[in-house]
Amino acid sequence: GNSVTQMEGPVTLSEEAFLTINCTYTATGYPSLFWYVQYPGEGLQLLLKATKADDKGSNKGFEATYRKETTSFHLEKGSVQVSDSAVYFCALSDGQLTFGSGTQLTVLP
Amino acid sequence: EAEVAQSPRYKITEKSQAVAFWCDPISGHATLYWYRQILGQGPELLVQFQDESVVDDSQLPKDRFSAERLKGVDSTLKIQPAELGDSAMYLCASRRYIGTVGETEAFFGQGTRLTVV
Repeated sequence: GNSVTQMEGPVTLSEEAFLTINCTYTATGYPSLFWYVQYPGEGLQLLLKATKADDKGSNKGFEATYRKETTSFHLEKGSVQVSDSAVYFCALSDGQLTFGSGTQLTVLP
Repeated sequence: EAEVAQSPRYKITEKSQAVAFWCDPISGHATLYWYRQILGQGPELLVQFQDESVVDDSQLPKDRFSAERLKGVDSTLKIQPAELGDSAMYLCASRRYIGTVGETEAFFGQGTRLTVV
């Protein structure tokens, strides 16, 4: 079956630091890949997506590139802000939407 | 902006009681999901609908959980009887299109936080 593996958290960074959250996946076929963000007590919000190999998704300064050869979709941001503190979920979809376990990010001022 | 509506936001129920959650997806979205999210973990799929039909309920504990989407629009998830281990966030999501190329994203409601005491 499909699966998503995220780097274990929590991750704590200072404001303006560089962020990388690793995500690798296992799937048959060619899934679409997503990053979702969840703020405390809320549902999930789409952050960015990529639907085919070598696509780069980007939003709000976050980026991730669909790497088929390494089955990865790592999330990056060049300069994090306190407001980026949240839980980030990597997900894949081939009709069914499968999530990783999430990575808690805390950004300190 | 269209949203997925869920109610209630919070529910406290006693063990062995029945509880129900409601979800109204974004208009025109044929696919609807119910997920369970235990604190500190990722969402786990309970059931997936395509219109009014169940596509996947392999992870739904059918001895106590049931889900329906009678007219292919809104949906209800029921637990009877509730157990302590059912305490979690129950998330509903909908999406417009799934297929072999370029799937659209899923939109999530704010969830129902269930506490079983």
